[in-house]
Amino acid sequence: DAGVIQSPRHEVTEMGQEVTLRCKPISGHDYLFWYRQTMMRGLELLIYFNNNVPIDDSGMPEDRFSAKMPNASFSTLKIQPSEPRDSAVYFCASSHSGRVGHTEAFFGQGTRLTVV
Amino acid sequence: DQQVKQNSPSLSVQEGRISILNCDYTNSMFDYFLWYKKYPAEGPTFLISISSIKDKNEDGRFTVFLNKSAKHLSLHIVPSQPGDSAVYFCAQFSGTYKYIFGTGTRLKVLA
Repeated sequence: DAGVIQSPRHEVTEMGQEVTLRCKPISGHDYLFWYRQTMMRGLELLIYFNNNVPIDDSGMPEDRFSAKMPNASFSTLKIQPSEPRDSAVYFCASSHSGRVGHTEAFFGQGTRLTVV
Repeated sequence: DQQVKQNSPSLSVQEGRISILNCDYTNSMFDYFLWYKKYPAEGPTFLISISSIKDKNEDGRFTVFLNKSAKHLSLHIVPSQPGDSAVYFCAQFSGTYKYIFGTGTRLKVLA
């Protein structure tokens, strides 16, 4: 498996524009997580899904942020409208719960978002 | 509230010496902890984990210690190598299947 795949790797956009980040989890994983990395907060959990259903979105900072998982192999994180303070690296991760318990989460390479 | 704290933002160590990275947590209900390593422009990668039925787990040069009474865990790297220079995150796995991460410690191993 190629691992968790995120696109784009880099995104530069103007304030007020819509931004969509994409993620393909590892095949067979039933959990998908969206994290944001900043200097102040480290890796901050935004939202996570189980079997394509959002379980906890309490980390989503504002209504400008939304996430979807239409099927087991694809998820999006959308910011509309974007603001300069949204500039950060966004990571997607997936994991498998399994019968014997959890595994570690596997991360994608991240999307570096810059809002100017 | 579940929080994971890494109070040292950075650490420098000479090559060959021991690196000790620390992590504190607030909620003792959740008993599985992980360490991740992150290089620049890459995603975090899993390094080592420990569950509360143990107080130590070892994998090569990496050992994680868990002190449940103090709600504290630490990662020891012996001997440290320049390739270990990275940001290290500790994480707590909750019963609701989510991973809560700390703010990270940047380790620099000096040759």
